[in-house]
Amino acid sequence: NAGVMQNPRHLVRRRGQEARLRCSPMKGHSHVYWYRQLPEEGLKFMVYLQKENIIDESGMPKERFSAEFPKEGPSILRIQQVVRGDSAAYFCASSPANGNTIYFGEGSWLTVV
Amino acid sequence: DQQVKQNSPSLSVQEGRISILNCDYTNSMFDYFLWYKKYPAEGPTFLISISSIKDKNEDGRFTVFLNKSAKHLSLHIVPSQPGDSAVYFCAASGASYDKVIFGPGTSLSVIP
Repeated sequence: NAGVMQNPRHLVRRRGQEARLRCSPMKGHSHVYWYRQLPEEGLKFMVYLQKENIIDESGMPKERFSAEFPKEGPSILRIQQVVRGDSAAYFCASSPANGNTIYFGEGSWLTVV
Repeated sequence: DQQVKQNSPSLSVQEGRISILNCDYTNSMFDYFLWYKKYPAEGPTFLISISSIKDKNEDGRFTVFLNKSAKHLSLHIVPSQPGDSAVYFCAASGASYDKVIFGPGTSLSVIP
Protein backbone atom coordinates (compact mmCIF):
# COMPACT_ATOMS: atom_id res chain seq x y z
CA ASN A 1 0.00 0.00 0.00
CA ALA A 2 1.70 3.16 -1.20
CA GLY A 3 -0.83 5.52 0.36
CA VAL A 4 -0.43 8.00 3.20
CA MET A 5 0.11 6.02 6.40
CA GLN A 6 -0.97 7.35 9.77
CA ASN A 7 -0.50 5.79 13.18
CA PRO A 8 -1.86 5.18 15.61
CA ARG A 9 -5.41 4.97 14.28
CA HIS A 10 -6.82 5.43 17.75
CA LEU A 11 -5.13 6.95 20.77
CA VAL A 12 -6.49 7.51 24.26
CA ARG A 13 -4.70 9.92 26.56
CA ARG A 14 -5.45 11.26 30.03
CA ARG A 15 -5.58 15.00 30.52
CA GLY A 16 -2.06 16.38 30.89
CA GLN A 17 -0.35 13.60 28.93
CA GLU A 18 1.36 13.99 25.57
CA ALA A 19 0.03 12.70 22.26
CA ARG A 20 2.25 11.93 19.28
CA LEU A 21 0.71 11.25 15.90
CA ARG A 22 2.81 9.99 13.02
CA CYS A 23 2.41 10.32 9.27
CA SER A 24 4.38 8.80 6.42
CA PRO A 25 3.60 10.47 3.08
CA MET A 26 2.95 8.70 -0.17
CA LYS A 27 6.04 7.52 -2.01
CA GLY A 28 7.52 10.39 -3.98
CA HIS A 29 5.67 13.06 -1.98
CA SER A 30 7.75 15.63 -0.16
CA HIS A 31 5.04 17.81 1.37
CA VAL A 32 2.87 16.98 4.36
CA TYR A 33 -0.23 18.68 5.71
CA TRP A 34 -2.05 18.18 9.00
CA TYR A 35 -5.77 18.85 9.43
CA ARG A 36 -8.06 18.49 12.42
CA GLN A 37 -11.72 17.59 12.40
CA LEU A 38 -13.58 18.32 15.62
CA PRO A 39 -16.90 16.51 16.21
CA GLU A 40 -19.61 17.82 13.89
CA GLU A 41 -17.19 20.20 12.16
CA GLY A 42 -15.25 20.38 8.91
CA LEU A 43 -11.55 19.96 8.18
CA LYS A 44 -9.44 22.71 9.69
CA PHE A 45 -5.96 23.33 8.34
CA MET A 46 -3.22 23.15 10.97
CA VAL A 47 0.23 23.06 9.37
CA TYR A 48 2.02 22.48 6.06
CA LEU A 49 5.56 21.11 6.03
CA GLN A 50 8.26 19.91 3.74
CA LYS A 51 11.36 18.02 4.84
CA GLU A 52 13.04 19.94 7.69
CA ASN A 53 10.97 23.06 7.01
CA ILE A 54 7.60 24.44 8.13
CA ILE A 55 5.98 26.22 5.18
CA ASP A 56 2.78 27.43 6.87
CA GLU A 57 1.72 26.92 10.48
CA SER A 58 -1.01 29.53 10.56
CA GLY A 59 -3.61 27.00 11.72
CA MET A 60 -1.66 25.63 14.66
CA PRO A 61 -2.78 26.59 18.16
CA LYS A 62 -0.18 28.87 19.71
CA GLU A 63 0.54 26.61 22.65
CA ARG A 64 1.04 22.88 23.23
CA PHE A 65 1.00 21.92 19.53
CA SER A 66 4.06 21.36 17.37
CA ALA A 67 4.87 19.57 14.14
CA GLU A 68 7.99 18.40 12.41
CA PHE A 69 8.97 16.55 9.27
CA PRO A 70 12.57 15.43 9.72
CA LYS A 71 14.97 14.51 6.95
CA GLU A 72 14.50 10.84 7.84
CA GLY A 73 11.32 9.31 9.17
CA PRO A 74 7.68 10.31 9.39
CA SER A 75 6.11 13.64 10.14
CA ILE A 76 5.10 13.99 13.79
CA LEU A 77 2.27 16.06 15.23
CA ARG A 78 2.88 16.51 18.94
CA ILE A 79 0.31 17.71 21.45
CA GLN A 80 1.61 18.38 24.92
CA GLN A 81 -0.52 18.46 28.08
CA VAL A 82 -3.65 17.36 26.25
CA VAL A 83 -7.06 18.68 27.28
CA ARG A 84 -10.53 17.31 26.54
CA GLY A 85 -10.98 19.85 23.73
CA ASP A 86 -8.11 18.22 21.83
CA SER A 87 -10.28 15.15 21.24
CA ALA A 88 -10.69 15.03 17.48
CA ALA A 89 -9.74 13.23 14.30
CA TYR A 90 -6.35 14.32 12.98
CA PHE A 91 -5.77 13.80 9.28
CA CYS A 92 -2.48 13.91 7.46
CA ALA A 93 -2.20 14.51 3.73
CA SER A 94 0.70 14.62 1.30
CA SER A 95 1.51 15.99 -2.12
CA PRO A 96 4.44 16.04 -4.51
CA ALA A 97 6.64 19.14 -4.54
CA ASN A 98 4.82 20.90 -7.37
CA GLY A 99 1.45 19.24 -6.98
CA ASN A 100 -1.83 20.92 -6.17
CA THR A 101 -3.74 17.80 -5.16
CA ILE A 102 -3.32 16.43 -1.65
CA TYR A 103 -4.02 12.84 -0.66
CA PHE A 104 -5.17 11.88 2.79
CA GLY A 105 -4.40 9.12 5.20
CA GLU A 106 -7.06 7.26 7.19
CA GLY A 107 -6.73 9.57 10.19
CA SER A 108 -5.81 9.28 13.84
CA TRP A 109 -8.60 9.56 16.40
CA LEU A 110 -7.48 11.11 19.66
CA THR A 111 -9.65 10.75 22.74
CA VAL A 112 -8.71 12.65 25.89
CA VAL A 113 -10.24 11.27 29.08
CA ASP B 1 -13.51 34.14 8.19
CA GLN B 2 -14.69 31.23 6.08
CA GLN B 3 -13.02 31.43 2.69
CA VAL B 4 -14.75 28.33 1.29
CA LYS B 5 -18.46 27.95 1.93
CA GLN B 6 -20.86 25.10 1.44
CA ASN B 7 -24.21 26.51 2.45
CA SER B 8 -26.17 23.26 2.32
CA PRO B 9 -25.26 21.04 5.27
CA SER B 10 -27.22 18.15 3.79
CA LEU B 11 -28.86 16.96 0.59
CA SER B 12 -31.13 14.00 -0.22
CA VAL B 13 -31.48 12.65 -3.73
CA GLN B 14 -33.27 9.69 -5.25
CA GLU B 15 -31.10 6.95 -6.73
CA GLY B 16 -30.57 7.49 -10.45
CA ARG B 17 -31.20 11.23 -10.30
CA ILE B 18 -28.63 14.01 -10.41
CA SER B 19 -26.93 15.28 -7.25
CA ILE B 20 -25.72 18.88 -7.35
CA LEU B 21 -23.43 20.07 -4.57
CA ASN B 22 -22.57 23.74 -4.43
CA CYS B 23 -19.59 25.67 -3.15
CA ASP B 24 -18.73 29.37 -2.97
CA TYR B 25 -15.41 31.01 -2.22
CA THR B 26 -14.35 34.50 -1.27
CA ASN B 27 -10.63 34.61 -1.99
CA SER B 28 -9.98 35.71 -5.58
CA MET B 29 -6.41 34.36 -5.31
CA PHE B 30 -7.67 30.79 -5.32
CA ASP B 31 -6.88 29.15 -8.65
CA TYR B 32 -7.26 25.44 -8.02
CA PHE B 33 -10.35 23.72 -6.68
CA LEU B 34 -10.94 20.19 -5.46
CA TRP B 35 -13.74 17.93 -4.27
CA TYR B 36 -13.29 15.19 -1.71
CA LYS B 37 -15.64 12.50 -0.48
CA LYS B 38 -15.54 11.24 3.09
CA TYR B 39 -17.13 8.24 4.76
CA PRO B 40 -17.39 8.08 8.57
CA ALA B 41 -14.21 6.97 10.33
CA GLU B 42 -12.18 7.20 7.13
CA GLY B 43 -9.92 9.79 5.55
CA PRO B 44 -11.18 12.06 2.75
CA THR B 45 -10.78 10.64 -0.75
CA PHE B 46 -9.89 12.90 -3.68
CA LEU B 47 -12.63 12.92 -6.34
CA ILE B 48 -12.00 15.56 -8.96
CA SER B 49 -10.33 18.93 -9.41
CA ILE B 50 -10.41 21.93 -11.70
CA SER B 51 -7.98 24.73 -12.36
CA SER B 52 -9.12 28.29 -12.85
CA ILE B 53 -8.26 28.26 -16.56
CA LYS B 54 -11.12 25.81 -17.14
CA ASP B 55 -14.83 26.03 -16.52
CA LYS B 56 -15.63 22.33 -16.60
CA ASN B 57 -13.93 19.05 -15.83
CA GLU B 58 -15.50 15.63 -16.15
CA ASP B 59 -14.54 12.22 -14.82
CA GLY B 60 -17.07 9.46 -15.27
CA ARG B 61 -20.21 10.25 -13.29
CA PHE B 62 -18.59 13.33 -11.72
CA THR B 63 -18.46 16.77 -13.32
CA VAL B 64 -17.21 19.95 -11.71
CA PHE B 65 -18.25 23.36 -13.03
CA LEU B 66 -16.42 26.58 -12.18
CA ASN B 67 -17.85 30.08 -12.52
CA LYS B 68 -14.96 32.39 -11.68
CA SER B 69 -16.91 35.63 -11.98
CA ALA B 70 -19.42 34.36 -9.41
CA LYS B 71 -16.74 32.64 -7.32
CA HIS B 72 -18.89 29.53 -7.43
CA LEU B 73 -18.32 25.90 -8.24
CA SER B 74 -20.54 22.86 -8.25
CA LEU B 75 -20.15 19.11 -8.35
CA HIS B 76 -22.64 17.11 -10.38
CA ILE B 77 -23.04 13.39 -9.82
CA VAL B 78 -25.15 11.57 -12.37
CA PRO B 79 -26.62 9.09 -11.99
CA SER B 80 -26.49 9.10 -8.19
CA GLN B 81 -25.96 5.76 -6.48
CA PRO B 82 -26.52 4.71 -2.85
CA GLY B 83 -22.73 4.25 -2.47
CA ASP B 84 -22.35 7.97 -3.14
CA SER B 85 -23.88 8.70 0.28
CA ALA B 86 -21.09 10.48 2.13
CA VAL B 87 -19.90 13.93 3.16
CA TYR B 88 -18.51 15.97 0.27
CA PHE B 89 -15.93 18.65 0.89
CA CYS B 90 -15.10 21.46 -1.48
CA ALA B 91 -11.51 22.77 -1.20
CA ALA B 92 -9.41 25.50 -2.76
CA SER B 93 -5.82 26.65 -2.96
CA GLY B 94 -3.74 29.39 -4.53
CA ALA B 95 -0.34 29.00 -6.15
CA SER B 96 2.00 26.12 -5.35
CA TYR B 97 3.24 26.17 -1.77
CA ASP B 98 -0.17 27.37 -0.64
CA LYS B 99 -2.31 25.51 1.85
CA VAL B 100 -5.55 23.84 0.81
CA ILE B 101 -8.62 25.30 2.53
CA PHE B 102 -11.72 23.18 3.00
CA GLY B 103 -15.39 24.05 3.22
CA PRO B 104 -17.57 22.67 6.03
CA GLY B 105 -18.95 19.83 3.93
CA THR B 106 -22.32 18.70 2.60
CA SER B 107 -23.77 15.37 3.67
CA LEU B 108 -25.31 13.62 0.67
CA SER B 109 -27.87 10.84 1.11
CA VAL B 110 -28.85 8.88 -1.98
CA ILE B 111 -32.13 7.10 -1.36
CA PRO B 112 -32.65 3.74 -3.08
